[in-house]
Amino acid sequence: DTGVSQDPRHKITKRGQNVTFRCDPISEHNRLYWYRQTLGQGPEFLTYFQNEAQLEKSRLLSDRFSAERPKGSFSTLEIQRTEQGDSAMYLCASSPPGSNEQFFGPGTRLTVL
Amino acid sequence: GQQLNQSPQSMFIQEGEDVSMNCTSSSIFNTWLWYKQDPGEGPVLLIALYKAGELTSNGRLTAQFGITRKDSFLNISASIPSDVGIYFCAGRGSQGNLIFGKGTKLSVKP
Repeated sequence: DTGVSQDPRHKITKRGQNVTFRCDPISEHNRLYWYRQTLGQGPEFLTYFQNEAQLEKSRLLSDRFSAERPKGSFSTLEIQRTEQGDSAMYLCASSPPGSNEQFFGPGTRLTVL
Repeated sequence: GQQLNQSPQSMFIQEGEDVSMNCTSSSIFNTWLWYKQDPGEGPVLLIALYKAGELTSNGRLTAQFGITRKDSFLNISASIPSDVGIYFCAGRGSQGNLIFGKGTKLSVKP
């Protein structure tokens, strides 16, 4: 079984553009989490899905951010009208039923110029 | 809100040395997790702790869940060069999300 995968690994965009990231969780993992990590900090929670339902959103998730998990498998995170402050590593994690352990993907490094 | 404080922020190791780091919280957690992150990669789960007082090992790594449920410790015995990286503690929040510390950076002594 492969681990969590994320695509792309790196994204460079100009301020004001929209970007979309994809996360494929480990097979059979029903919970999926998105985090953001900036330099020198630990990951910070953005949002969480159980199957296809988005159950929690952090106040960090401004209205320019939207996440979906339409079929309860892969998830996408879209950032509209990107700002320089959005530059960060965006991490996805998944968790199997009945477990508190979260397994992270390699992340997508976003740079907004 | 809940905050985690990790110490030390950074440390230098010489091969063969034992390493200790800890994590304290302003509030109680029911689950503590320890991760290691290499540059440009996602965090990798090392150890999960579920009960106050629990001591769990994974090879040369040993972690403990503090009795007060507000702290946790990670020890690495007989360190090797591939142990360098950033170690994060994380507590499971009420929303199911993880709350991370700022990390302890392990480097090799010059």
